[in-house]
Amino acid sequence: DIQMTQSPSSLSASVGDRVTITCRASQSSGTFLNWYQLKPGKAPKLLIYSASSLHYGVPSRFSGRGSGTEFTLTISSLQPEDIATYYCQQSFNPLFLTFGGGTKVEMK
Amino acid sequence: QVQLQESGPGLVKPSETLSLTCIVSGGSISSGGYYWSWIRQHPGKDLEWIGFMYHDGSTYFNPSLKSRINISMDKSKNQLSLRLSAVTAADTAIYYCARVERGGGNYFFDNWGQGTLVTVSA
Repeated sequence: DIQMTQSPSSLSASVGDRVTITCRASQSSGTFLNWYQLKPGKAPKLLIYSASSLHYGVPSRFSGRGSGTEFTLTISSLQPEDIATYYCQQSFNPLFLTFGGGTKVEMK
Repeated sequence: QVQLQESGPGLVKPSETLSLTCIVSGGSISSGGYYWSWIRQHPGKDLEWIGFMYHDGSTYFNPSLKSRINISMDKSKNQLSLRLSAVTAADTAIYYCARVERGGGNYFFDNWGQGTLVTVSA
């Protein structure tokens, strides 16, 4: 299976800060990399698919980059509603989809 | 907008079978074009893909869970079901159903339910 490693596991930032989360794959995942936002008690949301495509309805302050084994999710200006846990997910091996360990974003 | 709603018992005894259903509204699971999946989130926050199913009956399971999983569809009720046998405390998790879009070979979960918590305990 392809192991996904996210860093940091948690971070604290202020409103308006630029926040970057990194996801590394144990082997190349091409651009078959997706990002999700999870909040307690709510349906998870798809943010970015295929490494850099913004899912419809997602604010433009979210962006994704990368290919191969290293990917990033950036929030250009952190908002209070962005407090959540973020996960990457690979589908380079569609018979064994795997997620990163998550990055919890908190407000400073 | 497709909506998904999971339901099932919140408490299951060890060694028993966990059974969950997911009612889909706003879209048909029979229409093709999408896979339908189960995912779980363990208490420590790790997400784990369980498996998915296509409308033609084909299924794909996480190899680490394959021997204990059954995923099925009831097209007349527009619902997806999960059965996980021989559960242990390690199966305690929030269980989500989700729609899977396949775009350019990439598989991603574009619509999710709110999830249902299942605790395995005697």
